Amino acid sequence: GENVEQHPSTLSVQEGDSAVIKCTYSDSASNYFPWYKQELGKRPQLIIDIRSNVGEKKDQRIAVTLNKTAKHFSLHITETQPEDSAVYFCAASSLGGYQKVTFGIGTKLQVIP
Amino acid sequence: DAGITQSPRHKVTETGTPVTLRCHQTENHRYMYWYRQDPGHGLRLIHYSYGVKDTDKGEVSDGYSVSRSKTEDFLLTLESATSSQTSVYFCAISLEQTAEAFFGQGTRLTVV
Repeated sequence: GENVEQHPSTLSVQEGDSAVIKCTYSDSASNYFPWYKQELGKRPQLIIDIRSNVGEKKDQRIAVTLNKTAKHFSLHITETQPEDSAVYFCAASSLGGYQKVTFGIGTKLQVIP
Repeated sequence: DAGITQSPRHKVTETGTPVTLRCHQTENHRYMYWYRQDPGHGLRLIHYSYGVKDTDKGEVSDGYSVSRSKTEDFLLTLESATSSQTSVYFCAISLEQTAEAFFGQGTRLTVV
């Protein structure tokens, strides 16, 4: 089955700096890679995703990159703000079939004002 | 919230008792999932369903069973609760056309 590894597990950055979280996956059949943000005491919420036919996607201060050959993908947050502090999860899935969604262990991001 | 409701939201139960958590969705989604969330382990898949009466095990299925007798409900049962099953449980659905997943509010279960 799919295995998703995520690092680092914790990350502290100064406000205004950039943050990068990296994930690798094992199943070459995976073709959908979402990222979730979970604030304390709340449910995970989708913030951005990328599909296997795209190498990069950007949404304001957030961007994701995908390297299918190396089976890794990354989340980049620029100009970090205190409200970016949360736990971030990467995941891998495939459209159709069993559509099983496998998550990484999460990265706790702290943005220091 | 993709019309997902989990119940109960909080539960304290004793070791050895059976417990059933309910996930209810109102939008006819085919795919449903149960995850548990524990510090240092992220979101681990317990069981998932790809249709009515179609379910399969995830990576941490021991001690858990599920049932899906109708599209809208996905039940997670702990046959005999143990302290190691103290956790936050999340139900999720994914969209068939895009694979985007959405979560319920979560259930905090404490086994004493």
